Amino acid sequence: DVKVTQSSRYLVKRTGEKVFLECVQDMDHENMFWYRQDPGLGLRLIYFSYDVKMKEKGDIPEGYSVSREKKERFSLILESASTNQTSMYLCASNPGQSYEQYFGPGTRLTVT
Amino acid sequence: DAKTTQPPSMDCAEGRAANLPCNHSTISGNEYVYWYRQIHSQGPQYIIHGLKNNETNEMASLIITEDRKSSTLILPHATLRDTAVYYCIVRSANTGNQFYFGTGTSLTVIP
Repeated sequence: DVKVTQSSRYLVKRTGEKVFLECVQDMDHENMFWYRQDPGLGLRLIYFSYDVKMKEKGDIPEGYSVSREKKERFSLILESASTNQTSMYLCASNPGQSYEQYFGPGTRLTVT
Repeated sequence: DAKTTQPPSMDCAEGRAANLPCNHSTISGNEYVYWYRQIHSQGPQYIIHGLKNNETNEMASLIITEDRKSSTLILPHATLRDTAVYYCIVRSANTGNQFYFGTGTSLTVIP
């Protein structure tokens, strides 16, 4: 079974803090993704990575950055958290472009 | 990627078959139909996908009409644990890596 794990299920941070969300997959997948999910808006892609040290912007990259130093790990960074980044953050991975994506359990981030 | 239309909500009695419809009238020849579901406060879970032929796995069956303009996901014997939001996604393998999730169908399985 594919396992995608995320470092926290719930996180509360203050405005202006730097926030790190970690994602690890154990299936040697090439591609990893970060989405955010908000009521009425569905899932929106923030960034994805198709290889170590490679990254591509998704639809809503503003205010976020990512890091992929190892194949199994993909980090999402909020440089200076703001209240409008309060959301559910979902990490996913897949072995290639035409394959289904496997999701982690999500991190519910609240920025106060 | 083609747009999809799903009913916002449905109910199903426990033990009965749940049939979840999806319209994708603008689907093109190289686009697949994927189904995911999301149980409350969890990440989406892949269920099944298909191109033209009907597909079945241990979780569900996918019936795609001959003109491919619509499909139905069938959960043969719904249980309370099948209560979730079900997403129908149409996607080409050539359009990059993103899956576009809409608002889906909220299925409630009733005891």
